[in-house]
Amino acid sequence: KNQVEQSPQSLIILEGKNCTLQCNYTVSPFSNLRWYKQDTGRGPVSLTIMTFSENTKSNGRYTATLDADTKQSSLHITASQLSDSASYICVVIASGGSYIPTFGRGTSLIVHP
Amino acid sequence: NAGVTQTPKFQVLKTGQSMTLQCAQDMNHEYMSWYRQDPGMGLRLIHYSVGAGITDQGEVPNGYNVSRSTTEDFPLRLLSAAPSQTSVYFCASSGETGAVAIAGETQYFGPGTRLLVL
Repeated sequence: KNQVEQSPQSLIILEGKNCTLQCNYTVSPFSNLRWYKQDTGRGPVSLTIMTFSENTKSNGRYTATLDADTKQSSLHITASQLSDSASYICVVIASGGSYIPTFGRGTSLIVHP
Repeated sequence: NAGVTQTPKFQVLKTGQSMTLQCAQDMNHEYMSWYRQDPGMGLRLIHYSVGAGITDQGEVPNGYNVSRSTTEDFPLRLLSAAPSQTSVYFCASSGETGAVAIAGETQYFGPGTRLLVL
């Protein structure tokens, strides 16, 4: 069964600090991996999309890495801001056949001033 | 562009009632989908459509119907609401036209509809 596991479940950091969120997956065959940011009460917003051949992709202060061999991804947030407080969701999409993405449960990040 | 819009924002139903959640996008996207999000769980795909006139089931389709008569609209119908359908529903769209093309396309989500079934 395809699964996406995210850790930690929740994280509290001080404003200005860096943090790294983890995503492990068992989805196969792999097509692409996405990170979304979801603010409370809103729909998810795409941060990065990574395909098999990509190891690193940045979007401002967000940097995602992908190790397709170990089936792991991370999202690194640099110099956190209060507006980074949100849930971060990892999604993995399999290739071929019907399109049914596998979503992780998300990491809840709280940035304190 | 308004992006992806959903109505209503909130809805309370009694068990057995039916209703339609509306979703519209103005980006001329071929691919549209419906998800539900429950506490402590990841989003789960209900139904999706790769273009007008074409729909398919996702991971949790039971109790829901969809149709796609136009590119812009993708309504989700609850036939006979049950308390287990209490959830937040998100509609999403993207420009890909098939499962293979989805690889590089950003998916845009609507603001969600919060549904409570009593």
